[in-house]
Amino acid sequence: NAGVTQTPKFQVLKTGQSMTLQCAQDMNHNSMYWYRQDPGMGLRLIYYSASEGTTDKGEVPNGYNVSRLNKREFSLRLESAAPSQTSVYFCASSVTSGSKTEQFFGPGTRLTVL
Amino acid sequence: RKEVEQDPGPFNVPEGATVAFNCTYSNSASQSFFWYRQDCRKEPKLLMSVYSSGNEDGRFTAQLNRASQYISLLIRDSKLSDSATYLCVVIVSGSARQLTFGSGTQLTVLP
Repeated sequence: NAGVTQTPKFQVLKTGQSMTLQCAQDMNHNSMYWYRQDPGMGLRLIYYSASEGTTDKGEVPNGYNVSRLNKREFSLRLESAAPSQTSVYFCASSVTSGSKTEQFFGPGTRLTVL
Repeated sequence: RKEVEQDPGPFNVPEGATVAFNCTYSNSASQSFFWYRQDCRKEPKLLMSVYSSGNEDGRFTAQLNRASQYISLLIRDSKLSDSATYLCVVIVSGSARQLTFGSGTQLTVLP
């Protein structure tokens, strides 16, 4: 049981380049999320997917697209990277039991855009 | 005003000390509350949920004050391994998509 996995762990892009961050979970969770974390800002939600086939914008969706390929996989795409997208990106999935919701995070992707 | 606010610290305390963190939230419709722990350059992990009556897990005690809209985390007999950033997390509705994170409080426990 690997939990939530992300690839790549590190990436350096030039302004204008595109890339896709991959995320997969093996816990059979319906909900998946993409966050970015910047110093002093906490985690901010980019996009989420409540179930396979659905996606919704979070707090900071501009410049990103997502695909919920199947229940396991949720990818994040930067079509034309900008220096403002330099950040640490975390994918997460969640399970809700009664009033308790727990999110499980992947190890993160550290992205630098030059 | 941020939806969830925390004192960023850093808190530097000696081993064995008791340390408390507070977190305030602005949305009175907030329903669920959690503390997550994040080690340096790692992903956040759930530390504990926060229940209305308060709850304890070993050396950790969480309290919720709905009237004043704040949550607290108390760590007793702190260990070197407690050094991390502690994130306050609030869910405004029953939907997990509205999980809102504070920016975190950094704790360093000194030998």
